[in-house]
Amino acid sequence: KNEVEQSPQNLTAQEGEFITINCSYSVGISALHWLQQHPGGGIVSLFMLSSGKKKHGRLIATINIQEKHSSLHITASHPRDSAVYICALNSGGSNYKLTFGKGTLLTVNP
Amino acid sequence: EAGVAQSPRYKIIEKRQSVAFWCNPISGHATLYWYQQILGQGPKLLIQFQNNGVVDDSQLPKDRFSAERLKGVDSTLKIQPAKLEDSAVYLCASSLGLNTYEQYFGPGTRLTVT
Repeated sequence: KNEVEQSPQNLTAQEGEFITINCSYSVGISALHWLQQHPGGGIVSLFMLSSGKKKHGRLIATINIQEKHSSLHITASHPRDSAVYICALNSGGSNYKLTFGKGTLLTVNP
Repeated sequence: EAGVAQSPRYKIIEKRQSVAFWCNPISGHATLYWYQQILGQGPKLLIQFQNNGVVDDSQLPKDRFSAERLKGVDSTLKIQPAKLEDSAVYLCASSLGLNTYEQYFGPGTRLTVT
């Protein structure tokens, strides 16, 4: 079983819809990251969480440490939000390395 | 502030050929990572450097992959000889140091092995 599971793997939405992407994990963590990757592009960090909730523009990220679960929400989705969204964990240890989920491919149609 | 630079952006080679990728991290970042991202998968750590020393290379296929960061700044990842299954995006990332969570990623190099 992978340490990080994301769902759904693929998501298609109409412009304006509310989007939720989920991330579940099986290990203790020190931080959880939500990352965005556009086709052919590098990876951009959206959020880093260790508890609670963070908001940036139309993006909201939440984490429940007890349930080992995090969600990324996009309000009023737009075609430019189309990308792969990746959940990644810092599970402690001495080198702070990241463990990545497989990503969720989001397509927002106009 | 300039981001992480990588070159080339794209490379197509035949199997059994050699290839090298270059990465220049953000100025002042001591820690440098190379990741392999196969299509449809999340990135997998190949090697992590702290300055010019290797911190973790446990998932680096050392029979064909090598990496160096001789002066503790830029880094080169080499594959020799390449196999079809090496087709992937190779991502470089850097962070201020070992004790920091946030990594900054470069644009990646897309390698196609035919």
